[in-house]
Order: sequence, then C-alpha cells, then structure tokens
Amino acid sequence: IAGITQAPTSQILAAGRRMTLRCTQDMRHNAMYWYRQDLGLGLRLIHYSNTAGTTGKGEVPDGYSVSRANTDDFPLTLASAVPSQTSVYFCASSEQLASGNSNEQFFGPGTRLTVL
Amino acid sequence: AQSVAQPEDQVNVAEGNPLTVKCTYSVSGNPYLFWYVQYPNRGLQFLLKYITGDNLVKGSYGFEAEFNKSQTSFHLKKPSALVSDSALYFCAVRYNTNAGKSTFGDGTTLTVKP
Repeated sequence: IAGITQAPTSQILAAGRRMTLRCTQDMRHNAMYWYRQDLGLGLRLIHYSNTAGTTGKGEVPDGYSVSRANTDDFPLTLASAVPSQTSVYFCASSEQLASGNSNEQFFGPGTRLTVL
Repeated sequence: AQSVAQPEDQVNVAEGNPLTVKCTYSVSGNPYLFWYVQYPNRGLQFLLKYITGDNLVKGSYGFEAEFNKSQTSFHLKKPSALVSDSALYFCAVRYNTNAGKSTFGDGTTLTVKP
C-alpha cells in the first residue's frame, strides 16, 4: 500500500441500509478526515480524528459515524442511508505536529456512493 | 471562524498564456493556506502551501501563489499554462490553532485550450 486507499470504489445502496466506507493509510499520519464532495458545494468535512482513539465532528456529521481504533484505519459508517447521502466521499490524512498544527492533507481516490 | 472564497467557477486560458486562479480568505488568526488540484475521478493532490515566511510560495508543476495579507488573498499563478493543467483547483484555509481542520473553497475549473 502506498498512501491512502479507500474501498469500495463505488457502491449503489438501497435507502435504509447500513454501509461502511473503508479508509487505510500507510504514512503513519496521526490526523485523518472524511469529506463529501457535491457539485457546487466543494468539499465538506464530515468527521475528523487528530489521533488514534479520538474523533470529532466536522461541518456535516449528521447520519455518519466514525471510529479510530488504530493509526492506519478510519472507517466511515452510514447507519441508515438516505438519498441525500449520495455523494463522492474522500478520506484524507495529514501529519499532526506537536504544536497542534498540521501539514497538507493527502487524499484517497474516493468512493462514489449512490443511495436509491 | 474561517472561510474561503473562489470567486470564479471557471477560468479559461490559452496554452502558453499566464494563468491566475483567485482565492480570498477570512480567518480569525494567522492563516495557513493551501492549494490542491483534482483531476477527473481522482482525489485531491497538494500543490503548495503558505505557513509563514516569504509571501511568494512555489509549488509543484511550476505553480506559485502569493500571500497578500492586506487583501486577504492567495491567488494561484503560473507563467505559462499547459493543456495538462486543465483540472479543478481548490483553495483551503485554516487558522493556526484549528487543529488541522481546513475549510475548502468550492473549486475553480481551469480549462487550458491549445
């Protein structure tokens, strides 16, 4: 693995179903993020994690949950998918510095999710 | 609070001409500014950043950006555009105590015509 991988690449999901999007990085970055990208709305932060064992809410967290059991993995779960969650989802990571600042983000290739 | 604006949805330039993609920001604190590029069906790729120091920042693929504190701008520039520069460009801002949470602009589509 080099960088960040996401799975699946794409998925069509029936409304009401549970879905977990997977994200794995091999750069040992301690900060990770989930974004959704929608036409005309840019990237919006869903959840983030500054280090393993901690998570935080972003701009649009409702309907999503995350966990950070270890440094490498940061799965995003939709407990009961709705059509408005149709989007392209990007996972990203960055090096979180001791000062609390972080460097640039590295992005995965994305997951295209369609909820019908 | 922090926000970023990319006032142009679309920028068209001819190959060989200089290009500028505009970005203005608002933060309560010292800004950390970033530019990313996204090619079709790909994730975002980092181009360059301003943290501190020289206002003119040079990045990947010949791109550069100038931090202008008085105008709160961080425009992306390249002296001579290539057709392969055609992509979606995002500006992002974070203030230095916001624990890594960046705010992204809505993106500007750059089209370079031969």
